[in-house]
Amino acid sequence: DAMVIQNPRYQVTQFGKPVTLSCSQTLNHNVMYWYQQKSSQAPKLLFHYYDKDFNNEADTPDNFQSRRPNTSFCFLDIRSPGLGDAAMYLCATSRGFVQGARDTQYFGPGTRLTVL
Amino acid sequence: DAKTTQPPSMDCAEGRAANLPCNHSTISGNEYVYWYRQIHSQGPQYIIHGLKNNETNEMASLIITEDRKSSTLILPHATLRDTAVYYCIVRVLRSNDYKLSFGAGTTVTVRA
Repeated sequence: DAMVIQNPRYQVTQFGKPVTLSCSQTLNHNVMYWYQQKSSQAPKLLFHYYDKDFNNEADTPDNFQSRRPNTSFCFLDIRSPGLGDAAMYLCATSRGFVQGARDTQYFGPGTRLTVL
Repeated sequence: DAKTTQPPSMDCAEGRAANLPCNHSTISGNEYVYWYRQIHSQGPQYIIHGLKNNETNEMASLIITEDRKSSTLILPHATLRDTAVYYCIVRVLRSNDYKLSFGAGTTVTVRA
């Protein structure tokens, strides 16, 4: 089945130690998104790639970076994780936005990050 | 960011219809209403979306009022596996893309 895959499902890192989360998709979608979801809160968009174009949300901390080496893969890099970065990180994909048209985002299962 | 208002929680009996309300009184004419749900510790799952007309798919029905200021998601025959947080989202258009801004959602508990 076509899907959005996130590895690992659980990641533990140390305070200040860089960490990379990965996402892959078999849907051949143009857009890949990263969301952060803290405990008991709603998902919050960090940034997205439309093809190779990176689009950062205004309130995303500089500590968070992303790479998309090809259509299928996208990575979330946290340069110096703090305790406040512990959260579920969700990857989503969609075909892409066309003015006025429908577009659906499909989410992966998420990676739960623990910072010690 | 969130432009929707939902009740924080609701209970539903198994086998009965679940009607989930959502207010989006500031919605613009070209903004879609999306519904997602999130079962504990999983990623959000797309349910349905619509613009003006009512919509139905294999999971649910979406009823949008004529003035588009509110909508109702209907799960026709709730099962225990429908227990989840349900998010009503207005797709906010931007200059060359859009954003799904998740609100607090409604925690739906289906009871046997």
